[in-house]
Amino acid sequence: DTAVSQTPKYLVTQMGNDKSIKCEQNLGHDTMYWYKQDSKKFLKIMFSYNNKELIINETVPNRFSPKSPDKAHLNLHINSLELGDSAVYFCASSQGPGHVNGYTFGSGTRLTVV
Amino acid sequence: KQEVTQIPAALSVPEGENLVLNCSFTDSAIYNLQWFRQDPGKGLTSLLLIQSSQREQTSGRLNASLDKSSGRSTLYIAASQPGDSATYLCAVKGSSNTGKLIFGQGTTLQVKP
Repeated sequence: DTAVSQTPKYLVTQMGNDKSIKCEQNLGHDTMYWYKQDSKKFLKIMFSYNNKELIINETVPNRFSPKSPDKAHLNLHINSLELGDSAVYFCASSQGPGHVNGYTFGSGTRLTVV
Repeated sequence: KQEVTQIPAALSVPEGENLVLNCSFTDSAIYNLQWFRQDPGKGLTSLLLIQSSQREQTSGRLNASLDKSSGRSTLYIAASQPGDSATYLCAVKGSSNTGKLIFGQGTTLQVKP
């Protein structure tokens, strides 16, 4: 059973398109996150939801919109895709933002904008 | 603003060698520190988690230490194997209640047979 699963694993799309990435966790965690890993492998947080409430919204273009229909799901919708959006997007979860336990990451979605 | 640095950026060692990966952070007010492993094209696998009140954690051939006052953590890998080849990432969780992790840029390790 996959703990944090993301779909799709790979996404190739043209500039200007709108796309979504889905994430689901079956760990019963309260908090979910989206991280972006750039071409230099640097990971940086984008968003976090705790029990469906947005708690972190870093300086991300408003073309990126997260949605959490319930605490087990956190989706990422991207409008008007640009070349610079090409990256690997990781979903993660934890028991809570202040919980002592660590994170569990998904396997990532490699987005390529052409 | 918390910054995390990992040195070296890349390391190549012969099989069987013991090695140390370094992680430093600028703000000692951390909640915990987590070491991850990332294989090429794969996600992150959690290796060890050290709470701010702890000094070290061990799992098999891995030992991670934490010195909050000096802003440093080390990951010690004993008797390295080719299967240990991967990128190792250090991440700190600040003392805020947002759960945000700040990552270093990783150390890419190659263990040669």
